Amino acid sequence: AQKITQTQPGMFVQEKEAVTLDCTYDTSDQSYGLFWYKQPSSGEMIFLIYQGSYDEQNATEGRYSLNFQKARKSANLVISASQLGDSAMYFCAMREPFLYSGGGADGLTFGKGTHLIIQP
Amino acid sequence: NAGVTQTPKFQVLKTGQSMTLQCAQDMNHNSMYWYRQDPGMGLRLIYYSASEGTTDKGEVPNGYNVSRLNKREFSLRLESAAPSQTSVYFCASTQREGGSPLHFGNGTRLTVT
Repeated sequence: AQKITQTQPGMFVQEKEAVTLDCTYDTSDQSYGLFWYKQPSSGEMIFLIYQGSYDEQNATEGRYSLNFQKARKSANLVISASQLGDSAMYFCAMREPFLYSGGGADGLTFGKGTHLIIQP
Repeated sequence: NAGVTQTPKFQVLKTGQSMTLQCAQDMNHNSMYWYRQDPGMGLRLIYYSASEGTTDKGEVPNGYNVSRLNKREFSLRLESAAPSQTSVYFCASTQREGGSPLHFGNGTRLTVT
């Protein structure tokens, strides 16, 4: 089973509209972290926002917010007032403790991504 | 601010050739990682190093070896390249504390013919 599921392979959105990118996750740990990254066509990975499993408030960073619904195991990214420069791939990722046999490395598990295109 | 530096940016290899991808970070991070990115697959962890002197396998380690040369440097070696290793490779580092994100290099695009 996938640990991180992003069900929208691609999305087209009009400029200035709000965008919600879906992410559901699967873990049996109580302590975990959820991250969103942006990858523009130039290829670099840009960190956007983080939500810890024990955080009571939804994370916000400028135009980005995270709609965290723990019981549903979802961590959707919301981009308000989209801009042409928001066109990119977006990846949801999860950090769990002791993910691999070596333990303690806290590597991130990534979803397959959503390709967001903002149209003028 | 250099952050995470990867070399080379591009590489073409013939099947069976070997090469080493270099990665260095200047943020004094403890943990370093190598990921590969393939179309439609997201990023998958190849190897990681939780601290200087330790390395361990991730999700897709077959065909690769790594060396944590010191706290700054973490290299990835392909001993006998195969076409299935055609991919974009990312090195990343983090401080491994709570919400510390992974900081990524700009990637190496490798083609094996």
